[in-house]
Amino acid sequence: GNSVTQMEGPVTLSEEAFLTINCTYTATGYPSLFWYVQYPGEGLQLLLKATKADDKGSNKGFEATYRKETTSFHLEKGSVQVSDSAVYFCALRLGAGSYQLTFGKGTKLSVIP
Amino acid sequence: EPEVTQTPSHQVTQMGQEVILRCVPISNHLYFYWYRQILGQKVEFLVSFYNNEISEKSEIFDDQFSVERPDGSNFTLKIRSTKLEDSAMYFCATSGQAFSGNTIYFGEGSWLTVV
Repeated sequence: GNSVTQMEGPVTLSEEAFLTINCTYTATGYPSLFWYVQYPGEGLQLLLKATKADDKGSNKGFEATYRKETTSFHLEKGSVQVSDSAVYFCALRLGAGSYQLTFGKGTKLSVIP
Repeated sequence: EPEVTQTPSHQVTQMGQEVILRCVPISNHLYFYWYRQILGQKVEFLVSFYNNEISEKSEIFDDQFSVERPDGSNFTLKIRSTKLEDSAMYFCATSGQAFSGNTIYFGEGSWLTVV
């Protein structure tokens, strides 16, 4: 079946540190890949996406590259801020008649000043 | 930024009671979804809805769940006889198209607590 595996959290970083949150996937077809973010007390917001191999999604200083050879979509940011504290979810969507997003467990990031 | 609106934001109900969660989708979107997140667990797909019928559902979406668009705008999730294990955050989501790269927009969620 389809699945998404994210690195276990929580992750605590100091402000301006480099962030990597690992995400790997298993899928029967060629999925699109997404990172969603959930700030405290809020719903899920799309952070970035990539729809085919070697695509790079980017937004708000975050980046992730769709690596088909390693079935990965790791999230990176060069310099995190306190306001980046949130839970980050990696997800995939197959299309081709399947409408659903399959999520990872989420990784909680806390950035301290 | 377009928004998906959900009500109520929080509901406490007694076991065995019926609950209806409501969602106002983004206006030109055609595909509607419900997801849930039990505290500390993954966000899980429940059901997708298109053209006034269910297009896909998960094993979680059993006979106690139902969805409808009663007035052509709101999209509702009904739980007929709630159980303790139904306590979760329920997210409504919508998208304009069904292809894999199309963005799915989520509401802020409805916390359901079954006591």
